[in-house]
Amino acid sequence: SYELTQPPSVSVSPGQTANISCSGDKLGEKFTSWYQQKPGQSPVLVIYQDKKRPSGITERFSGSSSGKTATLTIGGTQAMDEADYYCQAWDRSTAVFGGGTRLTVL
Amino acid sequence: QEQLVESGGGLVKPGESLRLSCVGSSFTFSNYYMSWVRQAPGKGLEWVSYISPTSGFTRYADSVEGRFSITRDNAAKSLYLQMNSLRAEDTAVYYCAREECGDTHCSTSYGMDVWGRGTTVTVSS
Repeated sequence: SYELTQPPSVSVSPGQTANISCSGDKLGEKFTSWYQQKPGQSPVLVIYQDKKRPSGITERFSGSSSGKTATLTIGGTQAMDEADYYCQAWDRSTAVFGGGTRLTVL
Repeated sequence: QEQLVESGGGLVKPGESLRLSCVGSSFTFSNYYMSWVRQAPGKGLEWVSYISPTSGFTRYADSVEGRFSITRDNAAKSLYLQMNSLRAEDTAVYYCAREECGDTHCSTSYGMDVWGRGTTVTVSS
C-alpha cells in the first residue's frame, strides 16, 4: 500500500520560515493536500493541488511538490501556527495521510 | 455557513455494530464526494472510506474492508457509515469530510475542505 512519510516534529523560531516535508513514491505525479489540526479541533485544509490556497488561508502558507517530495512552507511563522500538519494524496482511489508533523514555535 | 455534523458515536463492545450519520447544510450536498476519516486517541488521521456523489463508487481502507459500509442519501443531505464487527482498534474520533474531485478516483482532488467536529466511537468490553 502507498505510504507518505513526514518528520514527526519541526521546530521554528517566531518570524522564521518553517518547512514540512512529505515523501512518497512518485508523489510529484499526484496532487498533495495539506491539513492543519490544532488540539481538540477538526483538521483544516491549508493547501490543495500541491500549491493552491483555499479561500481564507493566509498567504504565509505555500506548497510545492517535485519528484518524491511535497513541501509545506510557512513564512513568518507565528505562535498561532503551532499545530499538527498532515499531508494527503490519493493513490488508486485510496486516500493516504502522512503520519503528521508537530510544528513547535519556540 | 457550510457545515457537516456527525452523530451516532458511542461505547460498544467488540463484535457489536454502530451506525454513524453526517448531515450537511448550506451547500449542495449532492455535488461532492464524501469521506469518513478517523483519528485514534493520540494518533494521526486515517482515511476510512469514500463515496461518489451518486453513490456509484465506494472505496474502503483495508483495515475496514468487509466490515464497514458507506452510503448516502442526497435528498436528506446525509452520509452514513455502518460499522459491523467492531474491534478495539476501531476506537477513534470519526470525521466526515466533503471533497470536490475532478474524477471518480479523485486524482484531481481539490482537498477535503469542510470537516465535521467528529463523533467518538469507543470499542471496549
